[in-house]
Amino acid sequence: EIVLTQSPVTLSVSPGERASLSCRASQDIADNLAWYQQKPGQSPRLLIYDVSNRGPGVPGRFSGSGSGTDFTLTITSLQSEDFATYYCQQYQKWPPLNFGGGTRVE
Amino acid sequence: QLQLHESGPGLVRPLETLSLTCSVSGGSMTTETHYWGCIRQSPGKGLEWIASVSIRGKTLYSPSLESRVTISIDTSKNQFSLNVTSVTAADTAVYYCVRSTTLRGVFLYWGQGILVSVSS
Repeated sequence: EIVLTQSPVTLSVSPGERASLSCRASQDIADNLAWYQQKPGQSPRLLIYDVSNRGPGVPGRFSGSGSGTDFTLTITSLQSEDFATYYCQQYQKWPPLNFGGGTRVE
Repeated sequence: QLQLHESGPGLVRPLETLSLTCSVSGGSMTTETHYWGCIRQSPGKGLEWIASVSIRGKTLYSPSLESRVTISIDTSKNQFSLNVTSVTAADTAVYYCVRSTTLRGVFLYWGQGILVSVSS
């Protein structure tokens, strides 16, 4: 089973700043990684798939990078609506489909 | 715009069966490359994938839940269902119905979620 570790658990950022979120996989997952955003009281939303492809309607300030076991979600010029929890998820080898523990951007 | 709607009891007694129905509107269940599934989130916790099913009835389960979970699909009714047997307090969670992209393990559409509590 592939385990995903996200860091940091909480990231304190000011509006307009850049945020970098990390996701590390316990084994090589190639480019089979997605990122989701979840705001309080809402369902998760697909942000990124295949490491770096943005989902429908996702603003260009969200970008993904990495390969193999180390991945990064970058939010350039953080907007107020970007304060949320972000989860990475692997789909290289499943079942099970696993999510990381999340990073809360505050 | 495809929409998913969860329905089921908000309260289930311990050791009973949790039954969740996911209704699909604004789209059809005809694409073989899409998987339909359920993900849950315990209060204040992260996301846990439970199961997925294709329109052909191919099922995939989380190994940690497989012995207690059944997912099924009825495309004629535009819905799919999840049963979780012998529930405990650990099954208390918000349950989401989801649909994948053509990448079957990536979830583009999510229902609003339904809180299911397990308590006597």
